[in-house]
Amino acid sequence: DQQVKQNSPSLSVQEGRISILNCDYTNSMFDYFLWYKKYPAEGPTFLISISSIKDKNEDGRFTVFLNKSAKHLSLHIVPSQPGDSAVYFCAAIYGGATNKLIFGTGTLLAVQP
Amino acid sequence: NAGVTQTPKFQVLKTGQSMTLQCAQDMNHNSMYWYRQDPGMGLRLIYYSASEGTTDKGEVPNGYNVSRLNKREFSLRLESAAPSQTSVYFCASRGVLGQPQHFGDGTRLSIL
Repeated sequence: DQQVKQNSPSLSVQEGRISILNCDYTNSMFDYFLWYKKYPAEGPTFLISISSIKDKNEDGRFTVFLNKSAKHLSLHIVPSQPGDSAVYFCAAIYGGATNKLIFGTGTLLAVQP
Repeated sequence: NAGVTQTPKFQVLKTGQSMTLQCAQDMNHNSMYWYRQDPGMGLRLIYYSASEGTTDKGEVPNGYNVSRLNKREFSLRLESAAPSQTSVYFCASRGVLGQPQHFGDGTRLSIL
């Protein structure tokens, strides 16, 4: 059973517009959420995170929103740039100090020039 | 600044062969992890080591063994490779609690 779901396998947006990537989860015990970005033939790189006690976290062009009642989080990229084209993984932390990650299946973002 | 280094980058095995994937980190991190990535499945945790001298099973440990050789190195062994273990394997490490995991660039393993 997939505890972290990314229902959109791909997304295409125009350069300069907003990209919104979505993620849903089922386990209310998750206490931290992260977004990772992955280019082909490279490992995932950390992008931004949010604690379950917050509803928004912002870092430059990237903002993550958390709606705990809906068990939903989203990543907003504004403005989108061609270099943002990559696979984005949503992940949730469980297990306290062991920091085990549960990953979603990823969304391929294509930013068109 | 190498971060997390995985070797080899590519490997082709025959069914039944054994193989050890190597991972080393130079960030003085306590925790290390092994994941596999399959199409449409995201990354799934195989084994992890919360600190030197300890290892624990993750979500998909069957068919694998691990060794935390020292603080820097965490290896993953396939004793008798099976085609179902064809995947991309990622190693990660993490420092203190609250910091994100840092990933290597992966080992692409094909088992025929």
